[in-house]
Amino acid sequence: GAGVSQSPSNKVTEKGKDVELRCDPISGHTALYWYRQSLGQGLEFLIYFQGNSAPDKSGLPSDRFSAERTGGSVSTLTIQRTQQEDSAVYLCASSSSGGPQSTGELFFGEGSRLTVL
Amino acid sequence: GQSLEQPSEVTAVEGAIVQINCTYQTSGFYGLSWYQQHDGGAPTFLSYNALDGLEETGRFSSFLSRSDSYGYLLLQELQMKDSASYFCAVRDGAGRRALTFGSGTRLQVQP
Repeated sequence: GAGVSQSPSNKVTEKGKDVELRCDPISGHTALYWYRQSLGQGLEFLIYFQGNSAPDKSGLPSDRFSAERTGGSVSTLTIQRTQQEDSAVYLCASSSSGGPQSTGELFFGEGSRLTVL
Repeated sequence: GQSLEQPSEVTAVEGAIVQINCTYQTSGFYGLSWYQQHDGGAPTFLSYNALDGLEETGRFSSFLSRSDSYGYLLLQELQMKDSASYFCAVRDGAGRRALTFGSGTRLQVQP
């Protein structure tokens, strides 16, 4: 597609339920990132994929959070047994293979706003 | 680890010039980026500095001093549409590909 696509755009769930958030990156982008943004705050790194591998999962806040990427394209972020503190906007970004010499440009989706009641 | 500091809020009037500062601490350094985010929107890339000096892109310029671990974003001829949050971000040198973002500066442009 033309840009990074995320779904759902909004999700309201009850505490204790599982949720899945989907990200469809820009075609051809091998790198994919998940970030979380609480209201009025900065972007908190969660996980980075290069192809289907996740060499950096250091930002996942607990073992309730997991993510996968298949076919070097679509990624799913799963939050199990959701808690109220999980409420945030979950942003996905993609970039070309890049590396230290790259421009550092990430292309972000509009995000999935998660509200846990 | 890495950390970045930037002011939480800046207010300026239409047509003016505003500078948003960013200081950072990283274990290594590959470059400083700036992103703009309007309320409810996606962050969008503005600029990137890997070397010391000033990079100019239209009304926006970005500056980096690696020796001072400091950079700034300069916005000229401010317009109402520039009201947004601005984030600096670094890619550190520890082999980590992900960007670490500052907490953001909310810019309010007044008429």
